[in-house]
Amino acid sequence: DAGVIQSPRHEVTEMGQEVTLRCKPISGHNSLFWYRQTMMRGLELLIYFNNNVPIDDSGMPEDRFSAKMPNASFSTLKIQPSEPRDSAVYFCASSLDRTRGEQFFGPGTRLTVL
Amino acid sequence: AQSVTQPDIHITVSEGASLELRCNYSYGATPYLFWYVQSPGQGLQLLLKYFSGDTLVQGIKGFEAEFKRSQSSFNLRKPSVHWSDAAEYFCAVGAIYKLSFGAGTTVTVRA
Repeated sequence: DAGVIQSPRHEVTEMGQEVTLRCKPISGHNSLFWYRQTMMRGLELLIYFNNNVPIDDSGMPEDRFSAKMPNASFSTLKIQPSEPRDSAVYFCASSLDRTRGEQFFGPGTRLTVL
Repeated sequence: AQSVTQPDIHITVSEGASLELRCNYSYGATPYLFWYVQSPGQGLQLLLKYFSGDTLVQGIKGFEAEFKRSQSSFNLRKPSVHWSDAAEYFCAVGAIYKLSFGAGTTVTVRA
């Protein structure tokens, strides 16, 4: 079975540019999560979708960050404009509600903003 | 508020030796507890989980963990470590969707 798919795996961009990260959750899962991992702050939940609806976006750092889930099989996390402090590994994870929190993680996107 | 503390940032263990990783949590109700492993350049993989029932849970790759409510702990153990167990290990607590992760413990395995 295919797991959570993320693209690109690596992204290098310059400050001020728009960055779009993509995620395809596991088929049949109805919850999707975006996390950010840094050395300083560890793993942080950015936003949580349930049945394609954003439920909790309290972790989104600021207005430069936005996330969408237009359908059950695709989500994007966009940063516009990007800043060097956004450099991190961004993970997407998905789960079924009935598994009570068991989340399956994608391989991550390593973002470097110069 | 929920939180997780992993007191050990880095542990070095010899191959074949036993391993124990500590995890302490703070949670206002009966917690759901998880251990995840992250190999370099990879995403997190679930090792095991505790929801209720038997406080000793078995996971993949020969790992087990014991839930001790009185100590607010959920320590991870493996009797005999293999070189492939070198990775970073994360304890997490939460329910439904809001997981809080510890800072992680990096395990180095020496030959």
